[in-house]
Amino acid sequence: TQLLEQSPQFLSIQEGENLTVYCNSSSVFSSLQWYRQEPGEGPVLLVTVVTGGEVKKLKRLTFQFGDARKDSSLHITAAQPGDTGLYLCAGATYYGGATNKLIFGTGTLLAVQP
Amino acid sequence: NAGVMQNPRHLVRRRGQEARLRCSPMKGHSHVYWYRQLPEEGLKFMVYLQKENIIDESGMPKERFSAEFPKEGPSILRIQQVVRGDSAAYFCASSNRGEDQPQHFGDGTRLSIL
Repeated sequence: TQLLEQSPQFLSIQEGENLTVYCNSSSVFSSLQWYRQEPGEGPVLLVTVVTGGEVKKLKRLTFQFGDARKDSSLHITAAQPGDTGLYLCAGATYYGGATNKLIFGTGTLLAVQP
Repeated sequence: NAGVMQNPRHLVRRRGQEARLRCSPMKGHSHVYWYRQLPEEGLKFMVYLQKENIIDESGMPKERFSAEFPKEGPSILRIQQVVRGDSAAYFCASSNRGEDQPQHFGDGTRLSIL
């Protein structure tokens, strides 16, 4: 069974602080996606990482895919209240002409206090 | 808005009734996925469909649940004889054909069973 463990589960920080969220698995994935979910809404895609060791930056967010494609991290620099939300990593396997099912991580609930 | 459209957003049913959830994929996408988010749990894969074909239904309960994605029209997730434990948020995602194509999510249907 493929599992993705995220840590920490909850994080409450002050505006301007930096933070890192980790996503770990014993399974290899063809790609890994990070989403952010607000209450009452669906997950919104932030980034997809595909190559082992890949690093992608999205403004103040930096995403890294582990060399072995089993783990990933999300680093936020100078967090802002607008970054508050549930962050989800999701590992993808490739089958049948498109990405098959996503295995979702356990989630990290981030609260950034002004 | 050319995103993934789900309806209804909220659905209330009594035990024993049927629930039908609809999903129109993003324009140009031919792959649809259904996920369920139970209270206090993460997103779990249910079924993956392409037009007129079920590719992977390994996450779908064996009884009472069915899904289809006809040649014309939206994908339908059907739950017969609903029980209290079916109360959850049901999310649909769609993707384009090809390796590592990201999945884009709708805002979900919140199903409540009385």
